[in-house]
Amino acid sequence: GENVEQHPSTLSVQEGDSAVIKCTYSDSASNYFPWYKQELGKGPQLIIDIRSNVGEKKDQRIAVTLNKTAKHFSLHITETQPEDSAVYFCAASFMEYGNKLVFGAGTILRVKS
Amino acid sequence: DSGVTQTPKHLITATGQRVTLRCSPRSGDLSVYWYQQSLDQGLQFLIQYYNGEERAKGNILERFSAQQFPDLHSELNLSSLELGDSALYFCASSVGVKEYNEQFFGPGTRLTVL
Repeated sequence: GENVEQHPSTLSVQEGDSAVIKCTYSDSASNYFPWYKQELGKGPQLIIDIRSNVGEKKDQRIAVTLNKTAKHFSLHITETQPEDSAVYFCAASFMEYGNKLVFGAGTILRVKS
Repeated sequence: DSGVTQTPKHLITATGQRVTLRCSPRSGDLSVYWYQQSLDQGLQFLIQYYNGEERAKGNILERFSAQQFPDLHSELNLSSLELGDSALYFCASSVGVKEYNEQFFGPGTRLTVL
């Protein structure tokens, strides 16, 4: 079935360190992999996404890598700052009909200053 | 601010009752999605509408229904409410139905069933 697994569930890093969150997905037909950041009391907000024809994408301190063969994708945040503290969700598209997203369980990232 | 609005922000009701959650998509977006977020189930896709028509269905209970109106706003109706329906309900919108169309999420409606 449609499934996205996300690890770790919580991650604590020191300010300035890097953070890595990993996801695996079940459907080899998935072609779109967004990452969302959710702050307390708010809705998820897209921070970066990657399509299956690309192996890596970077936007300032954030990068995402995709290994389609292994059905893995990862989020990398460098030089973490306290404002990066939030819940991060990975997702994968499932296109049977409609472009629904299936989300991972989320990672609580705490950046300690 | 994503441009997606949801009302009400909070809703407290009793078991057995019926409630309606409302969503206005971003200007120009034709597709609306509903998600349920709970501590034990995470963020679960419920249903998608595109330009007034149901497009995809996820883990939506039979007690729940939705529709998208000609002005593109959407409503999610939850009936015969149970304690387990307490959750955050998010609406998202996107311009179309292409796989890579970004989904913009609203601020959510927090439903508490007592």
